Amino acid sequence: QKEVEQDPGPLSVPEGAIVSLNCTYSNSAFQYFMWYRQYSRKGPELLMYTYSSGNKEDGRFTAQVDKSSKYISLFIRDSQPSDSATYLCAMSGGSQGNLIFGKGTKLSVKP
Amino acid sequence: GAVVSQHPSWVICKSGTSVKIECRSLDFQATTMFWYRQFPKQSLMLMATSNEGSKATYEQGVEKDKFLINHASLTLSTLTVTSAHPEDSSFYICRLGGSNQPQHFGDGTRLSIL
Repeated sequence: QKEVEQDPGPLSVPEGAIVSLNCTYSNSAFQYFMWYRQYSRKGPELLMYTYSSGNKEDGRFTAQVDKSSKYISLFIRDSQPSDSATYLCAMSGGSQGNLIFGKGTKLSVKP
Repeated sequence: GAVVSQHPSWVICKSGTSVKIECRSLDFQATTMFWYRQFPKQSLMLMATSNEGSKATYEQGVEKDKFLINHASLTLSTLTVTSAHPEDSSFYICRLGGSNQPQHFGDGTRLSIL
């Protein structure tokens, strides 16, 4: 079993839809959870950074962490064509340690 | 603005050439730099961790003599792909670590070996 599992998609939604992206993991030592957005041929850009369980909201983005289920989610409200990108989940056991990444989910938001 | 500046963004060269990729920290002291490789439709795979003033730590399966890392200052880390071959073609990305902002990546270098 891989440490981090993420459905690669692709996921296609109409503009304005609510998007749900998810990752599961197996290592209970993970404490820090991140979501990155990566446009084609660019480096990943940090979207959300969460420590331990709970929810975090930033504009149209909401990150949820359920450590009991080893499951994290990213919700995008009122999705826009500019949200079309690959979304990577990442996690680590320490704040400055190595990150373990999911494979990324490719999202396409159609106008 | 950018926190990590990575150059070049795209390199095309002949097999056998050595290629140097630079990552420069613009706002923070880069005591640690992580180097990743990403193949198409694959996740980021950590290659090595470089620490300022000391030898880099390589992940299992990564040849340290082929991927030379130099981290001589708090603002600059370099990755040199020596005698590159077509199978080394990939997207190489650095990530800043060892500061209060550990999550920033460079924009990546697309390496194409002919």
